Amino acid sequence: GAGVSQSPSNKVTEKGKDVELRCDPISGHTALYWYRQSLGQGLEFLIYFQGNSAPDKSGLPSDRFSAERTGGSVSTLTIQRTQQEDSAVYLCASNRMQGYEQYFGPGTRLTVT
Amino acid sequence: RKEVEQDPGPFNVPEGATVAFNCTYSNSASQSFFWYRQDCRKEPKLLMSVYSSGNEDGRFTAQLNRASQYISLLIRDSKLSDSATYLCVVDSWGKFQFGAGTQVVVTP
Repeated sequence: GAGVSQSPSNKVTEKGKDVELRCDPISGHTALYWYRQSLGQGLEFLIYFQGNSAPDKSGLPSDRFSAERTGGSVSTLTIQRTQQEDSAVYLCASNRMQGYEQYFGPGTRLTVT
Repeated sequence: RKEVEQDPGPFNVPEGATVAFNCTYSNSASQSFFWYRQDCRKEPKLLMSVYSSGNEDGRFTAQLNRASQYISLLIRDSKLSDSATYLCVVDSWGKFQFGAGTQVVVTP
Protein backbone atom coordinates (compact mmCIF):
# COMPACT_ATOMS: atom_id res chain seq x y z
CA GLY A 1 0.00 0.00 0.00
CA ALA A 2 0.92 3.65 -0.16
CA GLY A 3 3.39 4.90 2.39
CA VAL A 4 3.69 8.28 4.07
CA SER A 5 4.06 11.05 1.53
CA GLN A 6 5.36 14.56 2.01
CA SER A 7 5.42 17.65 -0.16
CA PRO A 8 7.30 19.49 -1.37
CA SER A 9 10.42 17.34 -1.39
CA ASN A 10 12.59 20.45 -1.47
CA LYS A 11 11.81 24.02 -0.54
CA VAL A 12 14.08 27.02 -0.81
CA THR A 13 12.76 30.18 0.76
CA GLU A 14 14.03 33.61 1.74
CA LYS A 15 14.50 34.54 5.35
CA GLY A 16 11.33 36.07 6.74
CA LYS A 17 8.90 34.23 4.45
CA ASP A 18 6.31 31.73 5.67
CA VAL A 19 6.35 28.10 4.50
CA GLU A 20 3.87 25.24 4.64
CA LEU A 21 4.93 21.62 4.60
CA ARG A 22 2.44 18.85 3.98
CA CYS A 23 2.22 15.26 5.19
CA ASP A 24 -0.16 12.52 4.06
CA PRO A 25 0.01 9.63 6.53
CA ILE A 26 -0.71 6.01 5.78
CA SER A 27 -4.44 5.46 5.51
CA GLY A 28 -5.93 4.32 8.79
CA HIS A 29 -3.02 5.45 10.92
CA THR A 30 -4.32 7.37 13.91
CA ALA A 31 -1.06 8.94 15.06
CA LEU A 32 1.08 11.44 13.16
CA TYR A 33 4.43 12.92 14.15
CA TRP A 34 6.64 15.72 12.89
CA TYR A 35 10.40 15.75 13.43
CA ARG A 36 13.24 17.76 12.05
CA GLN A 37 16.79 16.69 11.40
CA SER A 38 19.66 19.04 10.83
CA LEU A 39 22.65 17.84 8.83
CA GLY A 40 24.58 15.21 10.75
CA GLN A 41 22.27 15.44 13.75
CA GLY A 42 19.66 13.22 15.33
CA LEU A 43 15.90 13.55 15.04
CA GLU A 44 14.28 16.37 16.98
CA PHE A 45 10.64 15.80 17.97
CA LEU A 46 8.32 18.67 17.07
CA ILE A 47 4.68 17.67 17.50
CA TYR A 48 2.48 14.58 17.84
CA PHE A 49 -1.19 14.09 16.91
CA GLN A 50 -3.11 11.10 18.28
CA GLY A 51 -6.66 10.65 17.04
CA ASN A 52 -8.95 13.40 18.30
CA SER A 53 -6.83 14.20 21.34
CA ALA A 54 -5.13 17.54 21.80
CA PRO A 55 -1.75 17.44 20.07
CA ASP A 56 1.48 17.22 22.04
CA LYS A 57 3.25 20.42 21.00
CA SER A 58 6.04 20.17 23.52
CA GLY A 59 8.77 19.95 20.87
CA LEU A 60 7.91 23.05 18.86
CA PRO A 61 10.97 25.31 19.14
CA SER A 62 9.15 28.64 19.00
CA ASP A 63 5.75 30.19 18.40
CA ARG A 64 6.71 30.62 14.75
CA PHE A 65 6.01 26.91 14.36
CA SER A 66 2.50 25.50 14.23
CA ALA A 67 0.83 22.41 12.86
CA GLU A 68 -2.65 21.18 12.24
CA ARG A 69 -4.19 17.92 11.23
CA THR A 70 -7.46 18.08 9.33
CA GLY A 71 -10.02 15.30 9.46
CA GLY A 72 -7.62 13.05 11.29
CA SER A 73 -5.53 12.61 8.16
CA VAL A 74 -3.43 15.18 6.31
CA SER A 75 -1.22 17.45 8.38
CA THR A 76 0.39 20.78 7.60
CA LEU A 77 3.40 22.19 9.42
CA THR A 78 3.68 25.96 9.10
CA ILE A 79 6.79 27.97 9.84
CA GLN A 80 6.27 31.71 9.96
CA ARG A 81 9.00 34.30 9.39
CA THR A 82 11.58 31.66 8.57
CA GLN A 83 15.11 31.98 9.91
CA GLN A 84 18.31 30.43 8.60
CA GLU A 85 18.45 28.11 11.60
CA ASP A 86 15.16 26.58 10.42
CA SER A 87 17.06 24.96 7.54
CA ALA A 88 16.75 21.19 8.03
CA VAL A 89 14.96 18.12 6.78
CA TYR A 90 11.42 17.96 8.15
CA LEU A 91 10.21 14.38 8.54
CA CYS A 92 6.69 13.17 9.08
CA ALA A 93 5.82 9.73 10.45
CA SER A 94 2.64 7.85 11.26
CA ASN A 95 1.64 4.72 13.11
CA ARG A 96 -1.58 2.83 13.53
CA MET A 97 -1.76 3.30 17.29
CA GLN A 98 0.30 3.66 20.42
CA GLY A 99 2.94 1.00 20.79
CA TYR A 100 3.30 0.28 17.10
CA GLU A 101 6.22 1.13 14.87
CA GLN A 102 6.33 4.43 12.97
CA TYR A 103 6.68 4.76 9.23
CA PHE A 104 8.44 7.79 7.85
CA GLY A 105 7.88 9.88 4.79
CA PRO A 106 10.82 10.90 2.59
CA GLY A 107 11.02 14.33 4.21
CA THR A 108 11.02 17.92 3.03
CA ARG A 109 14.43 19.54 2.76
CA LEU A 110 13.99 23.19 3.74
CA THR A 111 16.68 25.73 2.93
CA VAL A 112 16.31 29.28 4.19
CA THR A 113 18.56 31.75 2.38
CA ARG B 1 20.99 13.52 30.50
CA LYS B 2 19.45 12.36 27.22
CA GLU B 3 16.49 9.98 27.45
CA VAL B 4 18.02 7.60 24.92
CA GLU B 5 21.78 7.31 24.59
CA GLN B 6 23.85 5.53 21.98
CA ASP B 7 27.54 5.22 21.23
CA PRO B 8 27.89 7.30 18.05
CA GLY B 9 30.69 5.10 16.66
CA PRO B 10 31.76 4.69 13.99
CA PHE B 11 32.08 0.95 14.32
CA ASN B 12 34.38 -0.15 11.52
CA VAL B 13 33.59 -3.79 10.76
CA PRO B 14 35.26 -6.10 8.26
CA GLU B 15 32.86 -7.77 5.89
CA GLY B 16 31.67 -11.07 7.36
CA ALA B 17 32.38 -10.09 10.96
CA THR B 18 29.94 -9.61 13.81
CA VAL B 19 29.21 -6.26 15.42
CA ALA B 20 27.09 -5.45 18.44
CA PHE B 21 26.13 -2.22 20.16
CA ASN B 22 23.81 -1.05 22.88
CA CYS B 23 21.43 1.73 23.66
CA THR B 24 20.38 2.86 27.14
CA TYR B 25 17.13 4.56 28.06
CA SER B 26 16.14 6.49 31.15
CA ASN B 27 12.36 6.06 31.38
CA SER B 28 11.61 2.81 33.17
CA ALA B 29 7.95 3.08 32.09
CA SER B 30 8.88 2.80 28.41
CA GLN B 31 6.72 0.29 26.62
CA SER B 32 7.95 -0.44 23.14
CA PHE B 33 11.38 -0.55 21.61
CA PHE B 34 12.63 -0.51 18.05
CA TRP B 35 15.75 -0.37 15.93
CA TYR B 36 15.64 1.79 12.82
CA ARG B 37 18.22 2.13 10.11
CA GLN B 38 19.00 5.44 8.42
CA ASP B 39 21.07 5.75 5.29
CA CYS B 40 22.78 9.03 4.43
CA ARG B 41 20.25 11.71 3.44
CA LYS B 42 17.35 9.25 3.67
CA GLU B 43 14.48 8.79 6.08
CA PRO B 44 14.71 6.24 8.92
CA LYS B 45 13.34 2.81 8.10
CA LEU B 46 12.20 0.21 10.59
CA LEU B 47 14.75 -2.57 11.02
CA MET B 48 13.00 -4.52 13.75
CA SER B 49 10.90 -4.27 16.86
CA VAL B 50 12.49 -5.46 20.10
CA TYR B 51 10.56 -7.89 22.25
CA SER B 52 11.09 -8.76 25.90
CA SER B 53 12.22 -12.28 25.09
CA GLY B 54 14.65 -11.09 22.44
CA ASN B 55 14.12 -11.66 18.76
CA GLU B 56 16.01 -12.47 15.62
CA ASP B 57 15.46 -11.50 12.02
CA GLY B 58 17.94 -13.18 9.73
CA ARG B 59 21.38 -11.87 10.60
CA PHE B 60 20.03 -9.36 13.11
CA THR B 61 19.36 -10.10 16.78
CA ALA B 62 17.83 -7.65 19.24
CA GLN B 63 17.72 -7.98 23.01
CA LEU B 64 15.94 -6.01 25.70
CA ASN B 65 17.11 -5.80 29.31
CA ARG B 66 14.44 -3.99 31.29
CA ALA B 67 16.25 -4.31 34.62
CA SER B 68 19.31 -2.47 33.31
CA GLN B 69 17.30 -0.38 30.83
CA TYR B 70 19.17 -1.12 27.67
CA ILE B 71 18.56 -2.70 24.30
CA SER B 72 21.13 -4.20 22.01
CA LEU B 73 21.54 -5.02 18.36
CA LEU B 74 23.85 -7.66 16.97
CA ILE B 75 24.62 -8.03 13.28
CA ARG B 76 26.19 -11.30 12.13
CA ASP B 77 28.02 -11.91 8.87
CA SER B 78 28.12 -8.19 8.10
CA LYS B 79 27.50 -7.11 4.51
CA LEU B 80 28.70 -3.93 2.82
CA SER B 81 25.04 -2.96 2.54
CA ASP B 82 24.74 -2.95 6.35
CA SER B 83 26.73 0.31 6.43
CA ALA B 84 24.31 2.84 7.89
CA THR B 85 23.36 4.66 11.07
CA TYR B 86 21.30 2.56 13.46
CA LEU B 87 18.78 4.43 15.57
CA CYS B 88 17.50 3.15 18.89
CA VAL B 89 13.88 4.17 19.47
CA VAL B 90 11.94 3.99 22.72
CA ASP B 91 8.19 4.53 22.91
CA SER B 92 6.75 5.88 26.15
CA TRP B 93 2.97 6.12 25.89
CA GLY B 94 3.03 7.19 22.26
CA LYS B 95 5.94 9.60 22.57
CA PHE B 96 8.87 8.23 20.60
CA GLN B 97 12.36 9.07 21.78
CA PHE B 98 15.17 8.60 19.29
CA GLY B 99 18.80 8.04 20.04
CA ALA B 100 21.32 10.03 18.02
CA GLY B 101 22.38 6.85 16.23
CA THR B 102 25.32 4.48 15.98
CA GLN B 103 27.24 4.60 12.73
CA VAL B 104 28.37 1.27 11.29
CA VAL B 105 30.84 1.10 8.43
CA VAL B 106 31.40 -2.32 6.87
CA THR B 107 34.66 -2.53 4.94
CA PRO B 108 35.68 -5.02 2.24
